[in-house]
Formats: sequence, C-alpha cells, structure tokens
Amino acid sequence: KAGVTQTPRYLIKTRGQQVTLSCSPISGHRSVSWYQQTPGQGLQFLFEYFSETQRNKGNFPGRFSGRQFSNSRSEMNVSTLELGDSALYLCASSLGRLAGDTDTQYFGPGTRLTVL
Amino acid sequence: QQQVKQSPQSLIVQKGGISIINCAYENTAFDYFPWYQQFPGKGPALLIAIRPDVSEKKEGRFTISFNKSAKQFSLHIMDSQPGDSATYFCAASIETPSNTGKLIFGQGTTLQVKP
Repeated sequence: KAGVTQTPRYLIKTRGQQVTLSCSPISGHRSVSWYQQTPGQGLQFLFEYFSETQRNKGNFPGRFSGRQFSNSRSEMNVSTLELGDSALYLCASSLGRLAGDTDTQYFGPGTRLTVL
Repeated sequence: QQQVKQSPQSLIVQKGGISIINCAYENTAFDYFPWYQQFPGKGPALLIAIRPDVSEKKEGRFTISFNKSAKQFSLHIMDSQPGDSATYFCAASIETPSNTGKLIFGQGTTLQVKP
C-alpha cells in the first residue's frame, strides 16, 4: 500500500506570495491532519479534515487554510507569506476513527517551504 | 497545560547501550501517548504507543514505561544501534470527537549511536 505523498517536496517563495501544498493520504484513510515543523517551535498542529470538513483547528492565523476533496486528498494554503512561515509542512493521514479506538497517524515526507 | 516536555534535547550512546528519553505532561485528559522516529528528509514514523491504563509496553528493542501518577513516560531503546540514530518525538493526544487528529508533540531528542 502506498504511503502518504506530498507535493511539491521543496518550494521557494517570496514574502507576500501565497502557496498551496498538496497531500494524498493512504488509500482508505479519510482523515488528514497538517503540521508545521520548525527548529524553534517543533511540530505544531494546524488543522484536521475528515470527509471534506474541517473537524479540528490549531492556533494558527487565518492565513493558513485548507480543504479536503471527495477522494480524501487535501490541500493547504498559506496566503501573504511571511519569513516565519519557512518550515517543513507535514501531513498525516489516518482512518479517522473517533474516541474509543486508536487512530494512528501516518506521516508523509513533508514539503520544505522557504520564504525569502 | 497542553504541553509535553521532552528531555534530553540530544543524546549520545555507544552501540549496544541503552538510550532513554523522557517526557512529562500536565493535562491528565491525555489518553494516548505515541512515540515517533524521524530520519533526516523523512516524515515522523510511529514507533510504539501506549495508553494510560498500561504501565509498560514492549515491542522488540523499544519499550515505553508509563507512570500515570507522576505524569511521565519514557522510551527505552535497548541494544542501541547506529541505525537508531534519528530524532525521536514523544506525543500525546486526547481522543475525543471534539479533538480529532491533533497530536501534541514534545520538542524532540536527537539520538546519536556511536559504533
């Protein structure tokens, strides 16, 4: 079974631009979570989507948004890029089970975003 | 209260030795504690996970010890190998319908196993 794939793997943008990152989950997984990884802040949760709906959201500004399509693929968008948005953006997929059943998250390799 | 504190930040162990990484949390609502391993250029991969109703879980050379009263848990890597050199993250989550898909991660420990 193919793992989580993310495209592109590397991206360079300038301040003020916007960017869209893509994530294809493991076949059969309906939940996609996004994380930002930086040396200073570590891994931080951005949001989670399930069946095309955002179910959970972290503490990031509104410039960070996402969506999920009917095939469970997800995209994340960052508008008006700032230097501090430079990071590795990871997506993780899972079956999307609710409480009472462990819902393991499987991570993709990430997209390395550099903002100049 | 949503934090998970991980230590040490870095660790050097000789081949064959035991690597120990510790994590502490405050929120007693956490009910799932996974450990992830990340190699450079890769995403984190699940190593082993535990729930608070179990004090210890072992999978191969990897063992999680869990102390609910102290709100601490640790990863032990027995017979550490150079191939174990990676960054390790502990994490915690509250698995409820209102808190889906959200893992709270520790800051990570960079492990180097010397041959």
